[in-house]
Formats: sequence, structure tokens, C-alpha cells
Amino acid sequence: NAGVMQNPRHLVRRRGQEARLRCSPMKGHSHVYWYRQLPEEGLKFMVYLQKENIIDESGMPKERFSAEFPKEGPSILRIQQVVRGDSAAYFCASSPMDRVETQYFGPGTRLLVL
Amino acid sequence: QQQVKQSPQSLIVQKGGISIINCAYENTAFDYFPWYQQFPGKGPALLIAIRPDVSEKKEGRFTISFNKSAKQFSLHIMDSQPGDSATYFCAASPIQGAQKLVFGQGTRLTINP
Repeated sequence: NAGVMQNPRHLVRRRGQEARLRCSPMKGHSHVYWYRQLPEEGLKFMVYLQKENIIDESGMPKERFSAEFPKEGPSILRIQQVVRGDSAAYFCASSPMDRVETQYFGPGTRLLVL
Repeated sequence: QQQVKQSPQSLIVQKGGISIINCAYENTAFDYFPWYQQFPGKGPALLIAIRPDVSEKKEGRFTISFNKSAKQFSLHIMDSQPGDSATYFCAASPIQGAQKLVFGQGTRLTINP
């Protein structure tokens, strides 16, 4: 059973470009979470999605950030017009429907904004 | 009220010793408390988790102690090994409603051989 998959693992963008991060949850998992980790810090919740629905986006910055989890395909975290402060590791986690609190994390995407 | 405070920030333990990491929370709605282990360049891996209906949970060399009245919980690693050297995060979430995890700041554990 493959774990949570994220790609790309590393992403370099120049200021003003768009970053698109993808997450495929574990097989059978229908809940996806995105977290951001700044260097030497803990993970901060960004958004919680189920298929075709955003359940909680209370941790998402109001501008430039968006997330989706379509009926088919991976979840996407999109950052428009990136700035240097967006440089961080972005982790996706998934959980099964019957144990929603048990979250399994992917390897992360390390975003560097030049 | 949403914070989880973790200490110490870093910890050095001799091989074979006991590593102890502590966390405290304020939100009484939290009722699920996992610990994650993270190696450099990797994602956090779920290590062990506890719910407040028990005061202790043990899995191999890893034990969680939970004090509901004090709103504190801790991770004990018995017979610590160099391979345990990693960053450890405690977290908390409510089981009902929003399941977002609130993480502590992390503890960088080094086990000296």
C-alpha cells in the first residue's frame, strides 16, 4: 500500500511566478490536509479537504493561496505570485474515513523562492 | 488556546538512556494526542498516539504518559538508540469536528553512542 505521494519534491520559483504542489493520498483515504513548515519550526495547518469540498481553510492566507481536491486526480495547493516568505516545506497528509484523526504525511515539497 | 507548548527544544541523551519530551495544551476540546518523528528531509511519521481515556500507552520502547487534569502529556523513549536521533513533534486535535492537528514546536533529539 503506497503512502502519501507528493510532487515535485523540490520546486524553485522566482518571485511572481506560480507554484503548484500536488498530493495523492493513500489508497482508500478521502481526507486531505495541507501543512506548512518553516525552517526550525513545527507544522502549521493550512487547509482540510474532502473530495470536491473544502472543509476548513482557516489556516490559509487570504490571498494568493488556493487548494482543491477534485473528484479525480490529486489534491493541488496553488500559490500565485510567490514571494520569498513562501519558501518552506509543504506537507500533505491523508486520513481514512473511519479514523479521520489519524493523519499520515507525505515526504513534502520544498519550495524555494528566489 | 490553540497552542501546544513543547519542551525541551533540544535534548542530548546517552545511548541506552531514557529520553523524555513534554507537551502542554490549553484547549479542553483536544482529545487526540499523537507524536510524530521526523528525520531531516523527510515527512513526519506517526509514532504513537493516545486518547484521554487512558493515562499511559506503550508501544515497544515508546510510551506516552497523559495527565488530563494538568493538560500535559509526554513521550518517553526507553533504551534510546542513535537511530532515534530525529526531531519529535507532539500534536493535538479534537476527534469530532475539525480534525486539524496543532503541533508543538518540536524537539531535536540527539542520542550519543
